[in-house]
Amino acid sequence: QQQVKQSPQSLIVQKGGISIINCAYENTAFDYFPWYQQFPGKGPALLIAIRPDVSEKKEGRFTISFNKSAKQFSLHIMDSQPGDSATYFCAAVSYGQNFVFGPGTRLSVLP
Amino acid sequence: DGGITQSPKYLFRKEGQNVTLSCEQNLNHDAMYWYRQDPGQGLRLIYYSQIVNDFQKGDIAEGYSVSREKKESFPLTVTSAQKNPTAFYLCASSILTSGGWNEQFFGPGTRLTVL
Repeated sequence: QQQVKQSPQSLIVQKGGISIINCAYENTAFDYFPWYQQFPGKGPALLIAIRPDVSEKKEGRFTISFNKSAKQFSLHIMDSQPGDSATYFCAAVSYGQNFVFGPGTRLSVLP
Repeated sequence: DGGITQSPKYLFRKEGQNVTLSCEQNLNHDAMYWYRQDPGQGLRLIYYSQIVNDFQKGDIAEGYSVSREKKESFPLTVTSAQKNPTAFYLCASSILTSGGWNEQFFGPGTRLTVL
């Protein structure tokens, strides 16, 4: 029940296209859902996060969509750029507990 | 310049040796964490500490040890008991936001290779 599933494992998108990464969870106690971006050889960096009281959050080209009833959330990257090529991790956490991370999605944006 | 520093960036270990990875933060965060990342895999929690002089095992603590003598420091020792230590090690710290949830920040990582 603590697991966070993430798909796809890898994703190839043309420059200017939309990248979509999906995550699903079981534990209804989760109340914070961040996305992290990691470049090779670097530590993950917080990209955007959402709480379940909203269905969507947008920051620039990055949008999180959240479906509480389906226990799913997704990251959309609009107008994808080669500089967005990285590994993306979703995570879920409940108050006072440790983060649970998805296995990651390796995104490649072709020029 | 606030943040989390990890050293060294690369570390090579001979079989049977213990090695210690350094993690320092000047963010004044109470909680600190160690994760292990293997190629193509997610982050697995090794140890975490919520306050000084206290720490708990994560999901894969066997073969590792930690200490938390100072708020800003959380070193990780990879012992000879860890049979497959080659991996990328990430240190993180977190703060409880005004909204009531933890926001976690990561260091740049240490890549450990066993020769």
